[in-house]
Amino acid sequence: EAGVTQSPTHLIKTRGQQATLRCSPISGHTSVYWYQQALGLGLQFLLWYDEGEERNRGNFPPRFSGRQFPNYSSELNVNALELEDSALYLCASSLAIQDEAFFGQGTRLTVV
Amino acid sequence: DQQVKQNSPSLSVQEGRISILNCDYTNSMFDYFLWYKKYPAEGPTFLISISSIKDKNEDGRFTVFLNKSAKHLSLHIVPSQPGDSAVYFCAASSLGSSGSRLTFGEGTQLTVNP
Repeated sequence: EAGVTQSPTHLIKTRGQQATLRCSPISGHTSVYWYQQALGLGLQFLLWYDEGEERNRGNFPPRFSGRQFPNYSSELNVNALELEDSALYLCASSLAIQDEAFFGQGTRLTVV
Repeated sequence: DQQVKQNSPSLSVQEGRISILNCDYTNSMFDYFLWYKKYPAEGPTFLISISSIKDKNEDGRFTVFLNKSAKHLSLHIVPSQPGDSAVYFCAASSLGSSGSRLTFGEGTQLTVNP
């Protein structure tokens, strides 16, 4: 069974640009979560999507947004990139009623 | 406001000895706790969990202890192996909340020396 897949693996952008990160959940999982892991910090919750709807969001500015498609894959968009947005972005998926989330390998975003 | 805290950024133990990783939380609504392990360049992987109705859960070499009155949980690894060297994240959630979001600690880098 394929796990959670994320693309791209690495992404380099300049300040002010937009970044789009993609995530494919485990087959059958309807919930997708996005987390940010900045250097020296723990995993910070960004967004939770379930059945195509945004269910919850963490303490991040509105320029962090996303969506979930009918096939349950998800996109995270970061607009007006700032240097401090450089981080590892992790996507996780789970069955809607379970809390054991399975994580992808992450996308390393570097803003220069 | 850091609701889940892992106060030790790193821990070093000898192979064969016990590793104890600690985690404190402040939100009394949390009723489900998980530990994840993360190797470099990989996503976190689920290790073990415990619900607030228990005070101990064991899975092979891994045991999680929960002290609700102290709002403290710990992960014990016995015996520790060099392959256990990784970053360990404690996470908490509230099953009764409207969001199935996990709140993570900062992580503890465990190094097991041969």
